[in-house]
This record gives sequence, structure tokens and C-alpha cells, in this order.
Amino acid sequence: EPEVTQTPSHQVTQMGQEVILRCVPISNHLYFYWYRQILGQKVEFLVSFYNNEISEKSEIFDDQFSVERPDGSNFTLKIRSTKLEDSAMYFCASMKGGQPQHFGDGTRLSIL
Amino acid sequence: GQSLEQPSEVTAVEGAIVQINCTYQTSGFYGLSWYQQHDGGAPTFLSYNALDGLEETGRFSSFLSRSDSYGYLLLQELQMKDSASYFCAVMLNSGGYQKVTFGIGTKLQVIP
Repeated sequence: EPEVTQTPSHQVTQMGQEVILRCVPISNHLYFYWYRQILGQKVEFLVSFYNNEISEKSEIFDDQFSVERPDGSNFTLKIRSTKLEDSAMYFCASMKGGQPQHFGDGTRLSIL
Repeated sequence: GQSLEQPSEVTAVEGAIVQINCTYQTSGFYGLSWYQQHDGGAPTFLSYNALDGLEETGRFSSFLSRSDSYGYLLLQELQMKDSASYFCAVMLNSGGYQKVTFGIGTKLQVIP
């Protein structure tokens, strides 16, 4: 069964550095999402992407964040200047229209 | 605005049945999904209801009443491995694209 894949599984970065989290959505899906989950808390919506543009973003998704679909398969989340509070699990998800989302296994981001 | 409510914690005995409720207030609703998340893992899709009624998938069933803005997840013959967090998620049509909003999650503890 097709899967959403995310790399790396764990990223450790110094505060202030840039990170890029990568996702390969399921190939025939049209909607792409990034979520964040701080340890012990709920899954928080960051951004949705449809038709090659951001369709919605949350308050968390400030100017430090950006997303890109550089080719037909990858979907990336960039954090320009990381802060300690960016430490969390980041999940990518994709879906077809009218169907539930499928999640990747997540990237654990640790900011030192 | 939009809101979802589900209990924060539930405890049940191995072999028993447990029901996790979810109520929502949204516009543009078109479906309710349920996800399971074990500690440290990714949300895993369990069940989806677009129409009123009961959907059964093995030991798990999900119910939706659109008129009552209410759904539930029913877990039967509970096993220790069912200890996890369970999220309801509403799927919405919003401004020409589709978005998903998650509840806070219900932490289910299965005890012997």
C-alpha cells in the first residue's frame, strides 16, 4: 500500500540554524499538509498546500516557515532560524479529494 | 468558529467495550475521521464516516450523526495494545479546498 515517507526521522540542529524537513506524499494525492506535535500535546495544523500554493496556514506558521513542492514528488518544510520551541514531531500528510489523510511517520526535530 | 470536543482520558478493562465520543461545531463539514496514535508514533487512520450510520472495521466501529454533529468510535474486545491516543478529525470544505481539523485526542488506557 502506498505510504507517505518523511526524512530524516530525527534531526538535531543548533538554535538559529535552518532546517529542511522532507516529505514524499502518496503519488496521486492532491492535498498536502504539515502538522506539528509538541511532546504530550495534540496534533497542531501548520499549513495546507493545494494546486501548487498554500491554501491555509495557522498562526504558528509565521515568516520563519515556508513550504515548497520543488518537483513532482517532494514536499518540504523549511524553518529558517530555529528556536528552542520549534522542538517537536513534524508530520506530513496527504490526501485525495474527499478522502481521509494519510500521515508519514514524522520527523523528530530537536533544537539545542 | 470551529470546535471539536472529545474526552481527554478514558480507562477501560481488557476485553471490555469502550466508546469515545466526539462532538463538533463547524461549517462546510463533509466527514469525520478517527486516528490512533501510540506514544512516539504517527497518527494512523482508523475509520471514516461521510454518511450517517455505523461503519465497522474489525473490532473498531465508528458512528456519525450529522444532524446531531456527533460521532463516536467504538472499540470492542479491548486489548492492551489498544492503549493509545485517539483523535477525531473533521473534514471540511473551506474556501474551495479541503481541510482537516483535529480534536485534542482521547488517551485510552486499557488495564488488565
